[in-house]
Amino acid sequence: AQSVTQLDSHVSVSEGTPVLLRCNYSSSYSPSLFWYVQHPNKGLQLLLKYTSAATLVKGINGFEAEFKKSETSFHLTKPSAHMSDAAEYFCVVILSGSARQLTFGSGTQLTVLP
Amino acid sequence: GAGVSQSPRYKVAKRGQDVALRCDPISGHVSLFWYQQALGQGPEFLTYFQNEAQLDKSGLPSDRFFAERPEGSVSTLKIQRTQQEDSAVYLCASSNRDRGDHQPQHFGDGTRLSIL
Repeated sequence: AQSVTQLDSHVSVSEGTPVLLRCNYSSSYSPSLFWYVQHPNKGLQLLLKYTSAATLVKGINGFEAEFKKSETSFHLTKPSAHMSDAAEYFCVVILSGSARQLTFGSGTQLTVLP
Repeated sequence: GAGVSQSPRYKVAKRGQDVALRCDPISGHVSLFWYQQALGQGPEFLTYFQNEAQLDKSGLPSDRFFAERPEGSVSTLKIQRTQQEDSAVYLCASSNRDRGDHQPQHFGDGTRLSIL
């Protein structure tokens, strides 16, 4: 079975400092992986996706993620946090079933301190 | 429309009442998904449509949950005889490939359902 594990339920950083949100996946083959962000009372917005074309994936708003097969990781990073980055972040994998539905991690709440 | 639209945004119902939640996907998107997001948790898959066909309903928690997409565009999620554990945010997503291969799902803002 495929799944994702987000290692931190809460991360707090100061504005202007780097962000690291950790995600590990389990899959019997090369998965399709995504990071989504959810602001309060809003739907989910796609940040970036990995589809095996390149291991370093650049997304919107300065975020990027690196797929490391040897570590089964897909950590999300940003060099400098902005106050508007405060939100819930979900690491997501696509299941291989007919629906190809998304399987979400438990989420990481990012707090950005002034 | 420009994005996935869901209505109502908020719904309060008494236990035992029936509710209907609507989703307008992005025009032309073949695939439509419903997810349930309990408080403090990630969304969980409920059901999937390819055009008007409901190809997967394995995530529906009980036979009180019913979804339809009769013309392959707008979808309705219906919950009969609501229970308190049905309280959650219900998210709709659409994508523009029938199998969604690497195609991202675009989400609506959700309907927050509260059962009293």
